[in-house]
Amino acid sequence: GDSVTQMEGPVTLSEEAFLTINCTYTATGYPSLFWYVQYPGEGLQLLLKATKADDKGSNKGFEATYRKETTSFHLEKGSVQVSDSAVYFCALRDTSGSRLTFGEGTQLTVNP
Amino acid sequence: NAGVTQTPKFRILKIGQSMTLQCAQDMNHNYMYWYRQDPGMGLKLIYYSVGAGITDKGEVPNGYNVSRSTTEDFPLRLELAAPSQTSVYFCASSLRLNTEAFFGQGTRLTVV
Repeated sequence: GDSVTQMEGPVTLSEEAFLTINCTYTATGYPSLFWYVQYPGEGLQLLLKATKADDKGSNKGFEATYRKETTSFHLEKGSVQVSDSAVYFCALRDTSGSRLTFGEGTQLTVNP
Repeated sequence: NAGVTQTPKFRILKIGQSMTLQCAQDMNHNYMYWYRQDPGMGLKLIYYSVGAGITDKGEVPNGYNVSRSTTEDFPLRLELAAPSQTSVYFCASSLRLNTEAFFGQGTRLTVV
């Protein structure tokens, strides 16, 4: 079945550092890929998405590129802020189903 | 501007008790979902619905039941609570397949 694997956390960075959170997936066909963010005490919010190979999703300074050849969708941000501290989830939705498959989540803490 | 509303936010149950987690959305979305989130794990799909009167099992349906009598409401029922059902439960909705899923703030359930 479909699966999503994220880099192990937690990740701790200083403000203005560069962020990469790795995400790889296993799926048949051409799934859509997503990054969700969960701030403390809140539900998940969609951060960005990409629906086909080589698409780049971007939002709030975060970017991720859908790489079919490496089955990856790594999340990057050039300069993180304290307010980016949250749990980040990579997810995929397959081409036929109505379900999202989530990775295990990566806790990010940004220190001032 | 309510979006997806879940009640209660917190609940402690004794083993063998039953309860219903409520979920309501005001966006006229066809698709609704129930997920559980265990520590250090991604979200697992319990049940989903593609419209009023239609429900289907997700990855981890055992011990739960759902109904969808209206477009707005999608309650999740636990009949005989077990410690393994201690988790954070999220309800979500989306307009169509492959559109953004909106999440509620979650219900933290502890079974003792």
